Amino acid sequence: EPEVTQTPSHQVTQMGQEVILRCVPISNHLYFYWYRQILGQKVEFLVSFYNNEISEKSEIFDDQFSVERPDGSNFTLKIRSTKLEDSAMYFCASSETGENSPLHFGNGTRLTVT
Amino acid sequence: QQQVKQSPQSLIVQKGGISIINCAYENTAFDYFPWYQQFPGKGPALLIAIRPDVSEKKEGRFTISFNKSAKQFSLHIMDSQPGDSATYFCAAQDSGGGADGLTFGKGTHLIIQP
Repeated sequence: EPEVTQTPSHQVTQMGQEVILRCVPISNHLYFYWYRQILGQKVEFLVSFYNNEISEKSEIFDDQFSVERPDGSNFTLKIRSTKLEDSAMYFCASSETGENSPLHFGNGTRLTVT
Repeated sequence: QQQVKQSPQSLIVQKGGISIINCAYENTAFDYFPWYQQFPGKGPALLIAIRPDVSEKKEGRFTISFNKSAKQFSLHIMDSQPGDSATYFCAAQDSGGGADGLTFGKGTHLIIQP
């Protein structure tokens, strides 16, 4: 069964550094998402992306964050000038058609900011 | 108004018993209500979903009950098995925007005792 793949599985970075989290969505999916889950807390929506532009973003997704689809397969989340509170699991997801179609999540990247 | 309130936070059920997890929402624009199952180290995986035009949906041992007037929905797991031990998240979405993100509940940590 096709799946969303994320790399790396664990990223450790120092406060103030930039990180790029990478995702390969399912190939025929058109909508892409990033979610965040702080340890032991709920999954929070960050941003959705369709047709090479951001469709919706939450208040969490401020100027520190950016997303990009640099080629036909990858979808990246860039976090500039990381802060301690950015430490979390970051999940990429994709869906076929967006509206009411199931979201398929990757296994996440654990980001640790020290 | 965007919140989805989930209870209980944790639940212990004997093998063969019924596990019941409840969620409530306020935003009447929500029109898609999925449940996700998450095992440690993995991303959330779609379990079952319902739209408000039906009051119940059953897939195998999993049933969603939906009460539109009360703005509540619940997940019932019949004949609960140790392999069902996981964290369960309810979620809701206003699909009118096409790519709107899911709003998740805080999760229920379910333990099925053998």
